[in-house]
Amino acid sequence: AQSVAQPEDQVNVAEGNPLTVKCTYSVSGNPYLFWYVQYPNRGLQFLLKYITGDNLVKGSYGFEAEFNKSQTSFHLKKPSALVSDSALYFCAVRDMGDYKLSFGAGTTVTVRA
Amino acid sequence: DTGVSQDPRHKITKRGQNVTFRCDPISEHNRLYWYRQTLGQGPEFLTYFQNEAQLEKSRLLSDRFSAERPKGSFSTLEIQRTEQGDSAMYLCASSLSGAEANYGYTFGSGTRLTVV
Repeated sequence: AQSVAQPEDQVNVAEGNPLTVKCTYSVSGNPYLFWYVQYPNRGLQFLLKYITGDNLVKGSYGFEAEFNKSQTSFHLKKPSALVSDSALYFCAVRDMGDYKLSFGAGTTVTVRA
Repeated sequence: DTGVSQDPRHKITKRGQNVTFRCDPISEHNRLYWYRQTLGQGPEFLTYFQNEAQLEKSRLLSDRFSAERPKGSFSTLEIQRTEQGDSAMYLCASSLSGAEANYGYTFGSGTRLTVV
């Protein structure tokens, strides 16, 4: 079985400050990990993924995520947040032997000017 | 390539009516997934097709729900005798088997269903 936990329902930061959205996962094998962003009444937009290789993954819009196998975490980060980063963020995992993604409950990010 | 298309974008229906949604995946993608997302929750897996074969159905998919993917191209999701609890965003995604590591999953914009 595979699952994802996003421990924070909401994250609030000031524009220009660093942004971190936390994610921990559980899989039986090796994970494929993804971050998606969702704007109101829209579908999911892909930000970045970790499959293998470097633990620090860089993605779209200046986002990056760090894979930590010992802590089973895949936290999303942005060094300097923008107001336009305000959205709903989802972490997702897929066990390498599976085909479907399992999502966390999501974290609402609000960046204040 | 225009991405994954879903139609309609919004659907309001009366309780007890039947509704059908359509998903057009990326043309070369042979895998297609349906997810349901309720307010404040992450997307929950409903069902999965590889080509025209429906290979997995979640327990969330009651007998009132049926999905098809004739000819392995577009897919339809039908809900019969809708209930207010069916109100949600229905998301479709597609991928190319064996290539998800490189190309990931592409999601459509979703169909928002409101049952009144």
